Amino acid sequence: ILLTQSPDTLSLSPGERASLSCRATQSVISTYLAWYQQKPGQAPRLLIYGASSRASGIPDRFSGSGSETDFTLTISRLEPEDSAVYYCQHYGSSRYTFGQGTKLEIK
Amino acid sequence: QVQLVQSGAEVKKPGASVKVSCRASGYACTDYYVHWVRQAPGQGLEWMGWINPKSGATNSAQKFQGRVTMTRDTSMCTAYMDLRSLRSDDTAVYYCARLNGLRAMDVWGQGTTVTVSS
Repeated sequence: ILLTQSPDTLSLSPGERASLSCRATQSVISTYLAWYQQKPGQAPRLLIYGASSRASGIPDRFSGSGSETDFTLTISRLEPEDSAVYYCQHYGSSRYTFGQGTKLEIK
Repeated sequence: QVQLVQSGAEVKKPGASVKVSCRASGYACTDYYVHWVRQAPGQGLEWMGWINPKSGATNSAQKFQGRVTMTRDTSMCTAYMDLRSLRSDDTAVYYCARLNGLRAMDVWGQGTTVTVSS
């Protein structure tokens, strides 16, 4: 199963809403779909697991949704510190797969 | 607090091996699988494999099978990733990460930079 994220780059202003897409080549178990945020020079940070559950300490501006082959990470009310690369990740058939990432720039 | 602390940066020649360590603290280290993920310069995340610290069982991505060995020392709460026959395209930051109950990586090490160069 491959995960394709879109767009590759997204440029938005503070206060706007971002929608990041993650599409799987075949239906996946949403329980095993996660999203990560990675800032330059830092390790990834878990944002969302089980497609829609926020990880500990993650603000409610971050939300996840979707099922089968289409998943979305939504960031409402963008803040400058949301500038980062976002990755989706899935587990299936004893394998873990990451999408190629979406770079979010805050103008 | 819950954390994973990795060993320091390494510089290796092509054909050599590297062993990266990952020490867990702040939680029952045998209760959570440890995964290894790498990131080449300017590239995305690539899953390498996992180890069950309790049993020592491992599983690796097909790409690394035969070249990677994952081990652990339960007395030290430390996991190790050994990569052999290094090539220049193995130059990357290597991360260890803890897996939660829903197959998501909820705690990450700080990363270990491995540079392969003649």
